[in-house]
Amino acid sequence: QQPVQSPQAVILREGEDAVINCSSSKALYSVHWYRQKHGEAPVFLMILLKGGEQKGHEKISASFNEKKQQSSLYLTASQLSYSGTYFCGTEMGAGNNRKLIWGLGTSLAVNP
Amino acid sequence: DAGVTQSPTHLIKTRGQQVTLRCSPISGHKSVSWYQQVLGQGPQFIFQYYEKEERGRGNFPDRFSARQFPNYSSELNVNALLLGDSALYLCASSREGRGYEQYFGPGTRLTVT
Repeated sequence: QQPVQSPQAVILREGEDAVINCSSSKALYSVHWYRQKHGEAPVFLMILLKGGEQKGHEKISASFNEKKQQSSLYLTASQLSYSGTYFCGTEMGAGNNRKLIWGLGTSLAVNP
Repeated sequence: DAGVTQSPTHLIKTRGQQVTLRCSPISGHKSVSWYQQVLGQGPQFIFQYYEKEERGRGNFPDRFSARQFPNYSSELNVNALLLGDSALYLCASSREGRGYEQYFGPGTRLTVT
């Protein structure tokens, strides 16, 4: 049930781009993206609720392909502040048995 | 507005003991979720409460229980602590029970010796 994230780790130089993928074997109701820096709590980036939906915030954007049961997070012209672990979370279940299941994370390091 | 608050920040317990962790959501948020995060892994879903009712439960043993109060704050209880319960316990609040972004508290670091 756990979504699969790829790659597991990315090392970038400042200004480079990256794509993080999240896929699931189960039907997805929504996809959440969060970033967690070392020793801190996860911070919300964006949520995609509909198949085909795309969202963006500054130079970070995401897409959701409902048919393929996958989502991708795009980081453009990366900044040092983008470093951290990126998690996707997928909502599953219905009624009184809903869960937000998280992937294992993608570690992103942006170097000068 | 104040963010999600959790108490205590750190806790050391002995195997077999019981622990209660507390969470206060952002004002106006009616949903609280609890997660366990082991170092190097993603958060593992434990419970979600919305309007004082349990709306979701993860794959955790019955030693784990939770409740939500009329003011939407929440407690997570863990009985008969095991060494493997050592982790960061995160609380997250959201406006509704589904489809809304979650805001995380700083977590409670539990160490079981």
